[in-house]
Amino acid sequence: NAGVTQTPKFRVLKTGQSMTLLCAQDMNHEYMYWYRQDPGMGLRLIHYSVGEGTTAKGEVPDGYNVSRLKKQNFLLGLESAAPSQTSVYFCASSLDWTSGGYEQYFGPGTRLTVT
Amino acid sequence: KNQVEQSPQSLIILEGKNCTLQCNYTVSPFSNLRWYKQDTGRGPVSLTIMTFSENTKSNGRYTATLDADTKQSSLHITASQLSDSASYICVVSFNNNDMRFGAGTRLTVKP
Repeated sequence: NAGVTQTPKFRVLKTGQSMTLLCAQDMNHEYMYWYRQDPGMGLRLIHYSVGEGTTAKGEVPDGYNVSRLKKQNFLLGLESAAPSQTSVYFCASSLDWTSGGYEQYFGPGTRLTVT
Repeated sequence: KNQVEQSPQSLIILEGKNCTLQCNYTVSPFSNLRWYKQDTGRGPVSLTIMTFSENTKSNGRYTATLDADTKQSSLHITASQLSDSASYICVVSFNNNDMRFGAGTRLTVKP
């Protein structure tokens, strides 16, 4: 099993450009998450999904959109990138809610720089 | 406000020594607390998870403790190895579906 994979690993965008980050998991997990990690701060939840076709806002959703058309894939979109979105983005998945004790499995991250 | 604070921010120790990392939280109602290890350039990997009724959990040389009354947790690393160099992140789940991540402690183990 590959676990959780993310594409691409690195990307540089100019302000105003758009892009989509792809997350894929092969563990048949229902729940998927997108986080951003900034220096000196904990990971912050952007959006999450509790199943195919569902999405919900997390702690910092502004400027991002997501889609979960297939159970194994969770896409994060930036419609008009801003320098404030320079960050490392992590995708994660879990079988059920983490508050129920289910473990989250993280991808390797995507380092995005917006100039 | 639901927060998770970790200390110290960074720590340097010699190989073979022990160390203890701290995590204080204010979230409520508490569900569980996890410690993750994050190697540079990688995603976090779970080390331990503790619920309200558990006050200690071990995973090899890693031992986590939880005091739910004072809302404090610690991660003790015994006989450190160079491969322990990483960031250690405390994560608290609360209110059924919410989580808060600490900023992490950056541990460097030197030979």
